[in-house]
Amino acid sequence: AQKVTQAQTEISVVEKEDVTLDCVYETRDTTYYLFWYKQPPSGELVFLIRRNSFDEQNEISGRYSWNFQKSTSSFNFTITASQVVDSAVYFCALSEAPSQGAQKLVFGQGTRLTINP
Amino acid sequence: DVKVTQSSRYLVKRTGEKVFLECVQDMDHENMFWYRQDPGLGLRLIYFSYDVKMKEKGDIPEGYSVSREKKERFSLILESASTNQTSMYLCASSLPRLGGAFFGQGTRLTVV
Repeated sequence: AQKVTQAQTEISVVEKEDVTLDCVYETRDTTYYLFWYKQPPSGELVFLIRRNSFDEQNEISGRYSWNFQKSTSSFNFTITASQVVDSAVYFCALSEAPSQGAQKLVFGQGTRLTINP
Repeated sequence: DVKVTQSSRYLVKRTGEKVFLECVQDMDHENMFWYRQDPGLGLRLIYFSYDVKMKEKGDIPEGYSVSREKKERFSLILESASTNQTSMYLCASSLPRLGGAFFGQGTRLTVV
């Protein structure tokens, strides 16, 4: 069975600090996808990134970066120079890669990030 | 941009009522999903559909049913609402095999 664990329930930092959100996953599939979503107070989940299991290159997008390590089954998310607008709940998710039909997402419990001015 | 729209942001219903949550997407996606979100539990899949009139149970289908008569619309039905169904409900849609999903803004349902 697939499982995603986000051990950090809540994180609070001061603006401009760097912060890393941890994500550890379990799957028996050799082909799978990993995701990060952001949920601001408005409630809608916003897609941030998708990574497939064959691509272990780290990704950087502005102040956001992601570190994918298959050896430790982790897909961590770092925000550099955090801002108040980064305050949200962040979810890590995993999906299989079926040959047909719908890919179901398995979510972690979420990490509530608060950036204090 | 993909748009997934849920008919209500907030709903208050009484125990025993039949409740309909509606979701519409405008990008011709084959797949649609209903999740519920509870503190400390993340998002859990209730039902999903990969084609019109097709549906499959997710991880927590008990007490719910769904309907997909048209490709763009996916309805979640609480046959007889109970207080333990008080939650945030999120609808999503996606294309086949691409992974990921686009989410609606959520419906916060309170059953009293």
